[in-house]
Amino acid sequence: AQSVTQLDSQVPVFEEAPVELRCNYSSSVSVYLFWYVQYPNQGLQLLLKYLSGSTLVESINGFEAEFNKSQTSFHLRKPSVHISDTAEYFCAVSGVGTSGSRLTFGEGTQLTVNP
Amino acid sequence: EPEVTQTPSHQVTQMGQEVILRCVPISNHLYFYWYRQILGQKVEFLVSFYNNEISEKSEIFDDQFSVERPDGSNFTLKIRSTKLEDSAMYFCASKTWGTQETQYFGPGTRLLVL
Repeated sequence: AQSVTQLDSQVPVFEEAPVELRCNYSSSVSVYLFWYVQYPNQGLQLLLKYLSGSTLVESINGFEAEFNKSQTSFHLRKPSVHISDTAEYFCAVSGVGTSGSRLTFGEGTQLTVNP
Repeated sequence: EPEVTQTPSHQVTQMGQEVILRCVPISNHLYFYWYRQILGQKVEFLVSFYNNEISEKSEIFDDQFSVERPDGSNFTLKIRSTKLEDSAMYFCASKTWGTQETQYFGPGTRLLVL
């Protein structure tokens, strides 16, 4: 079984500031790791994912996350945020090779970017 | 770009009534999922469905829940006798074959049980 902990429920930042959203996981098997974003009144959209290979993964809109196996973390970062990045961010894991590939989510982090 | 759709967007029902939540997954996808999010809590897995049968279900998915793929396009979640604690946002998701493929989520159905 897997579990995910997002350490910050709310993160307020000013526009153009850097941000880090923290995610830690636990699992008895190897995992795939995901960050999903939810804008108001919309569904969950995949932001980026780690499957294998390079531990640093990037999204098309400037976010990046680094898989750290020793610390069982997958923190999300962006060097300079925009107002439009305001949303809820969910970290999720699935077990490698598990039947059905269920996703286990963290509690979510509300990122609010202020002008 | 193809997307997962869900109907209705909102549903209000009385405790004890049956509800059916509908989803249209992306057309070439083979795996289908239901998740729910109770207000203020995390998104929780309910069930996965592949090859016309349940492949995995959580402890939440008890006998009052059922899923069906009645035709080639729809995927439904039925709650037989709703309880107050079933009030939540229900998300449908789908993906192609393989464990690495991304799950694509619909916009959700907000269910309120009174």
